[in-house]
Amino acid sequence: AQSVTQPDIHITVSEGASLELRCNYSYGATPYLFWYVQSPGQGLQLLLKYFSGDTLVQGIKGFEAEFKRSQSSFNLRKPSVHWSDAAEYFCAVGASNTGKLIFGQGTTLQVKP
Amino acid sequence: DGGITQSPKYLFRKEGQNVTLSCEQNLNHDAMYWYRQDPGQGLRLIYYSQIVNDFQKGDIAEGYSVSREKKESFPLTVTSAQKNPTAFYLCASSIGRDRRITGELFFGEGSRLTVL
Repeated sequence: AQSVTQPDIHITVSEGASLELRCNYSYGATPYLFWYVQSPGQGLQLLLKYFSGDTLVQGIKGFEAEFKRSQSSFNLRKPSVHWSDAAEYFCAVGASNTGKLIFGQGTTLQVKP
Repeated sequence: DGGITQSPKYLFRKEGQNVTLSCEQNLNHDAMYWYRQDPGQGLRLIYYSQIVNDFQKGDIAEGYSVSREKKESFPLTVTSAQKNPTAFYLCASSIGRDRRITGELFFGEGSRLTVL
């Protein structure tokens, strides 16, 4: 079955430190992968997506993610975190035969001053 | 500006009552979706629609109903049969012209339903 796992429920980093959020997926074919960010009480905003091609993708707000097929991973990274990055982050995989997205449980990021 | 509008943002319901959440989009997208969000469980798909007058059940459709009479609108009714309806509900849309390829989802700001 298709699934997405975000192993870290909650992460705290200091402002200016680097960030990596983990995402592992289970999918039978080449996946369509996404990272979304959600501020409290708001909808989700797309950070970046991977469909094919270069395995390192750049997104908005200085985020990037790397697709590693051998590890079934799509980890999100940012070299220097800002206080405004505090939010909940969701990894998602696209089910190409139905057009649906399957979401991970989410990782809550807290940024210390 | 194009986008997705959900209303109401907050809604309170007594047990045994049906309630309808509105979702309207002016992005000219073919596909629309309803997700339910609970703390620690991510987003779970309730219903989705790839085209007008057609919709499919998602993973947790029991106790919910939808309609898709217009391309722009995809209302969700939470019925009294839904045993635990208190949650945050998110509507989304995607271009969806090619049923074999999923594109990115565009989300509304959500509706929070509380059952008293």
